[in-house]
Amino acid sequence: SQELEQSPQSLIVQEGKNLTINCTSSKTLYGLYWYKQKYGEGLIFLMMLQKGGEEKSHEKITAKLDEKKQQSSLHITASQPSHAGIYLCGAVRKTQGGSEKLVFGKGTKLTVNP
Amino acid sequence: EAQVTQNPRYLITVTGKKLTVTCSQNMNHEYMSWYRQDPGLGLRQIYYSMNVEVTDKGDVPEGYKVSRKEKRNFPLILESPSPNQTSLYFCASSPGTSGRNEQFFGPGTRLTVL
Repeated sequence: SQELEQSPQSLIVQEGKNLTINCTSSKTLYGLYWYKQKYGEGLIFLMMLQKGGEEKSHEKITAKLDEKKQQSSLHITASQPSHAGIYLCGAVRKTQGGSEKLVFGKGTKLTVNP
Repeated sequence: EAQVTQNPRYLITVTGKKLTVTCSQNMNHEYMSWYRQDPGLGLRQIYYSMNVEVTDKGDVPEGYKVSRKEKRNFPLILESPSPNQTSLYFCASSPGTSGRNEQFFGPGTRLTVL
C-alpha cells in the first residue's frame, strides 16, 4: 500500500476559487515536504513542515501539518492558471541502513480554468 | 546559477544498448539521488549517495547502476535497458548527508526503450 496517500488525485477548479489538497501518511511523520511539478518537468520546492501544528504560507499557498492525524493539507486561495500543475507531498523516512530519505505521494493534478 | 543538470533530456534507445544519464550539481551538495516517475506509481527512488564513494539502493534499484567518484556528478547507468525502464528520470541533490533536507531536482530525462 502507498505510504503517502494524496487526495484528490485530480482537481479542476475555476480561476479565483479556493482549493485544498491533502496528504495522509500511514507512518509517523518526521518532516513533510510539498513540491510542485509542471507537466513533464522537474520538481520545485514549495514548503517544508517539521512540527505538529506548524503552518507556512508562500504567496497564496498555505500548508499545515497535523502530526496527530499524520496528515498535511495544502490550501490555495484565489487560484490562478499559474497554480496549475502536479502537487506532490514527500515525507522523511528512515532507511534500514539508518539514513533518511524522502518518499513521495503519487501527486494531485490541478487544472485551473480561466 | 545554482542548479542540477541532466543529460540527455530525451533519449530513445533499443533494448540491451548500454546507456548513461549524467547528473551534475554545482551547489557542493553531499547527498544525491535518482528517481523514476511513472503514471500511477508516482516518484520512486532508484539509488542515492550520501557522499563521494558512498552509494546505496533505493526502492527500485534493479537494472540500474550508479557511481559517485566526484562530489558534483552522479551518473545513472543502464547496462542492458529493457522496455520496463521507459520512464521519466529525475536527479536530485541536497545539502548534508541525509535525504531529509530540501532536495533540488534536475529538469528530468525522458527515456524510451524500444
